Amino acid sequence: GAGVSQSPRYKVAKRGQDVALRCDPISGHVSLFWYQQALGQGPEFLTYFQNEAQLDKSGLPSDRFFAERPEGSVSTLKIQRTQQEDSAVYLCASSAGGRGNQPQHFGDGTRLSIL
Amino acid sequence: EDQVTQSPEALRLQEGESSSLNCSYTVSGLRGLFWYRQDPGKGPEFLFTLYSAGEEKEKERLKATLTKKESFLHITAPKPEDSATYLCAATSGTYKYIFGTGTRLKVLA
Repeated sequence: GAGVSQSPRYKVAKRGQDVALRCDPISGHVSLFWYQQALGQGPEFLTYFQNEAQLDKSGLPSDRFFAERPEGSVSTLKIQRTQQEDSAVYLCASSAGGRGNQPQHFGDGTRLSIL
Repeated sequence: EDQVTQSPEALRLQEGESSSLNCSYTVSGLRGLFWYRQDPGKGPEFLFTLYSAGEEKEKERLKATLTKKESFLHITAPKPEDSATYLCAATSGTYKYIFGTGTRLKVLA
């Protein structure tokens, strides 16, 4: 597609349920990022993929968070046993290069609400 | 520690009242300084990339400039449709984009 696509746009889950958030990056983009954005804050880094390799997952808040990009295109962020503090907007971004000098292109995010 | 700080947190302008937003950064070996616009319920939309001190980029009513310590986003004669949150981000490595908390701009008609 022309831009980064994320689904679902909104997700409501009960505490303890597992959720999966999908990101479809711009075709051909090597780099893919996941961010968490709280209200009134900038995006906070979660994890980074270069093609199918997850090069950095240092921003994942706990071992309940897991991300994958098995074929180097679509990525999924999975949260197990969700907690209320997981409520946030999850943004996915992709960029053409992997050297930190290319702009990121963002999807519109998934707004996750944990009841 | 690499850090990006934006000011002011919020800004209200009358239509046509020009102003500047500030982005101060402390990163070692800057690779790029990026400006984004974010509308409510949307993801950040890319505006500009700046790579070295002295560089300037322009687009319509917006102009971004860069020094060794900070970047400015100048808004000339803003219109209500310029109302948004403006984010800046800096990279020092190959993939760590460090974001500021943004400036929420409101332009009144």
